[in-house]
Amino acid sequence: QQQVKQSPQSLIVQKGGISIINCAYENTAFDYFPWYQQFPGKGPALLIAIRPDVSEKKEGRFTISFNKSAKQFSLHIMDSQPGDSATYFCAATLSGSARQLTFGSGTQLTVLP
Amino acid sequence: DAGITQSPRHKVTETGTPVTLRCHQTENHRYMYWYRQDPGHGLRLIHYSYGVKDTDKGEVSDGYSVSRSKTEDFLLTLESATSSQTSVYFCAISEIQGNGELFFGEGSRLTVL
Repeated sequence: QQQVKQSPQSLIVQKGGISIINCAYENTAFDYFPWYQQFPGKGPALLIAIRPDVSEKKEGRFTISFNKSAKQFSLHIMDSQPGDSATYFCAATLSGSARQLTFGSGTQLTVLP
Repeated sequence: DAGITQSPRHKVTETGTPVTLRCHQTENHRYMYWYRQDPGHGLRLIHYSYGVKDTDKGEVSDGYSVSRSKTEDFLLTLESATSSQTSVYFCAISEIQGNGELFFGEGSRLTVL
């Protein structure tokens, strides 16, 4: 059972464009939604995260939009750069659970120069 | 970067042989995790540990066992490797239970022929 569904599987964007990655979750008990970024040959690293009591969080060129009623959240990368080319994973967790994160299937982003 | 070392980084083995992957951390974090990463499946939790000798199963634990005899070491064992266990394995650590922030190692690529 896939509790966090992510789309698209791959995304190609021109430099300066906006990259959008979407995720949907099933478990309404989830209360923390991070995004991880992974470069080739490396482990994933925390990029940005949001709690469901806010609808949007912005850090630099990266923004998370959250729609609690639709059980959906998305990552927007503004002014995308070739250095943003990586695999992005959305995730969800229940605060206080030692089990930690349930991940989406990942989106491979390529930003063309 | 968090002090996480995975070994070996690459291994090729044959079906039916035992394999042990090691994760060593220097951060003294209580929580440790083993994930596998496969195309189209994202990161799936195999086993996790919430203290020395305290472990629990994740979503894809069949065919795997773990041990944690010291805070700094978390071992993943495939008792009899199968081709379906060909994957990239990531160890992760966390200081706080359920805070959604994991620090990942650089991965161990296992090929089972």
